[in-house]
Amino acid sequence: GQQVMQIPQYQHVQEGEDFTTYCNSSTTLSNIQWYKQRPGGHPVFLIQLVKSGEVKKQKRLTFQFGEAKKNSSLHITATQTTDVGTYFCVGSGNTGKLIFGQGTTLQVKP
Amino acid sequence: DVKVTQSSRYLVKRTGEKVFLECVQDMDHENMFWYRQDPGLGLRLIYFSYDVKMKEKGDIPEGYSVSREKKERFSLILESASTNQTSMYLCASSPRDRSNQPQHFGDGTRLSIL
Repeated sequence: GQQVMQIPQYQHVQEGEDFTTYCNSSTTLSNIQWYKQRPGGHPVFLIQLVKSGEVKKQKRLTFQFGEAKKNSSLHITATQTTDVGTYFCVGSGNTGKLIFGQGTTLQVKP
Repeated sequence: DVKVTQSSRYLVKRTGEKVFLECVQDMDHENMFWYRQDPGLGLRLIYFSYDVKMKEKGDIPEGYSVSREKKERFSLILESASTNQTSMYLCASSPRDRSNQPQHFGDGTRLSIL
């Protein structure tokens, strides 16, 4: 079946360092969404990417959707302690089914 | 602002009990979802519903059932709770849209089965 693999599972960085999480799908996706879940909180929608090769930015966060629409990445520039949490990608397959990545948990050392 | 409310943040039940987890959303969303979240496994879809009285199995429906008698309410039922159902349960809702609208999540229920 359709799968979305997300790596790394965990990442520890020093405050000010950059961070990237990657999602790879076994099949072409119609779109991909990214969510952030703070410790003890619930997932909160960040952004949706639809077009092949699309790049979107939200302040220090940069989201990319691959040309083949099978991979995506989230890059955070100069991490801050407020970036701590788990970041999920959610792909939408050709049947409309949502496929969750396993999430990347980011720890930031002050 | 969308509000998805789950009835309990923490719940402790015993093996064999019938357990009800309630979820209510206030934005007139057609779609509602139940997930469980376990370390290293991410979110896994248990059941979802696209309309009142309608339900569809997700990836891990075994041991669970659901009820959607009203548009705003989606209940998850553990017919006979077992220890391997100890988990964090998240409810979500979204409006009906072909292009997959973002999901709005509740705060979750951390369920422990003893």
